[in-house]
Amino acid sequence: SAVISQKPSRDICQRGTSLTIQCQVDSQVTMMFWYRQQPGQSLTLIATANQGSEATYESGFVIDKFPISRPNLTFSTLTVSNMSPEDSSIYLCSVRGLVGDTQYFGPGTRLTVL
Amino acid sequence: GNSVTQMEGPVTLSEEAFLTINCTYTATGYPSLFWYVQYPGEGLQLLLKATKADDKGSNKGFEATYRKETTSFHLEKGSVQVSDSAVYFCALSDLNNRLAFGKGNQVVVIP
Repeated sequence: SAVISQKPSRDICQRGTSLTIQCQVDSQVTMMFWYRQQPGQSLTLIATANQGSEATYESGFVIDKFPISRPNLTFSTLTVSNMSPEDSSIYLCSVRGLVGDTQYFGPGTRLTVL
Repeated sequence: GNSVTQMEGPVTLSEEAFLTINCTYTATGYPSLFWYVQYPGEGLQLLLKATKADDKGSNKGFEATYRKETTSFHLEKGSVQVSDSAVYFCALSDLNNRLAFGKGNQVVVIP
């Protein structure tokens, strides 16, 4: 399976500010995704990061709030914009490799918004 | 839309007990099914998977069988250890590889 890293691993931010989270994979992958895990909750898909084009967002998530980039096959960023305490969550990227349909997850970024 | 339902509430059991965590799903077509595990302080890891009806996924003593007739993918382990204490998530993958997760079950194994 691919080795996935995320930066930062955690951050504490003030409301109204923005944070960009990076996801780096050690090999080329076909698909990359961003998920959110709110405290004590399950994971919810935010969007599919498409290489070279706009991300595909799930219902309830919009580009202005969660802009996503994927400039190549191994790297993606998620920005959480104009943050409020409700955005406090763990944000995870996942990847699907070249073979099969299994997704592998990064270690997550724990975000706290004050 | 696709959805996954897991049994409510945490599961507390003694070491060497039998573990079952129920998972049922609603989906169009024939999704792939997964169990992911999140150990304390760690990231989400794939535990096992099954891609078609009657497939059995297995890993680390855990098993789950893809039951199309009952739309279920229950997780079982015959003899749990303290190290199995974790949160377990059932998930399905649609045709676009988007994962839908159940709410998760916290499993606490007491020595």
